[in-house]
Amino acid sequence: DSGVTQTPKHLITATGQRVTLRCSPRSGDLSVYWYQQSLDQGLQFLIQYYNGEERAKGNILERFSAQQFPDLHSELNLSSLELGDSALYFCASSTGSAEAFFGQGTRLTVV
Amino acid sequence: EDQVTQSPEALRLQEGESSSLNCSYTVSGLRGLFWYRQDPGKGPEFLFTLYSAGEEKEKERLKATLTKKESFLHITAPKPEDSATYLCAVRENYGGSQGNLIFGKGTKLSVKP
Repeated sequence: DSGVTQTPKHLITATGQRVTLRCSPRSGDLSVYWYQQSLDQGLQFLIQYYNGEERAKGNILERFSAQQFPDLHSELNLSSLELGDSALYFCASSTGSAEAFFGQGTRLTVV
Repeated sequence: EDQVTQSPEALRLQEGESSSLNCSYTVSGLRGLFWYRQDPGKGPEFLFTLYSAGEEKEKERLKATLTKKESFLHITAPKPEDSATYLCAVRENYGGSQGNLIFGKGTKLSVKP
């Protein structure tokens, strides 16, 4: 158990809908990262938050947004969903320059 | 521009056949190189952190090493349960220590009994 909790584990929704993925980082970790992994693809960086502030952005679509709350949990919002958004979405957390620990992911299926 | 390149993309070994995986990187001001193992449908599992050239870390059949331009993950006498995708990541140097992690595409290792 990495200590990073992601909910829900599975999500099936229709095209055009909006969903929210939730991530609780490890206790004490200030940085939260979101990654997307499509079938047999590598980890694509979406966005990073540090202590409530956006730190870095990757190739995140305008239909996607995220935030980190004062209790350090984070949410990734995906809207106007398309079939191509079906993927595993991972959250990771870290502190300082140390390694990041990943949650078990949310598997999103858009039908 | 690829900042982290892993090779080979896939590697098939017989049980007991030792080999090495490569991770080359081009980021400046390295703030850590990380190795992860990922099983299908699961989140990456942390293996090692390396910070400076010459550093080595070991865990069971795995040994990670670091030079100024690349890292190797050596697998000694692998077993079928070592089959997984091995990911390498480097931390970008910006804004202090909390830089983003840049991942390579991974090496998919299969170990046959």
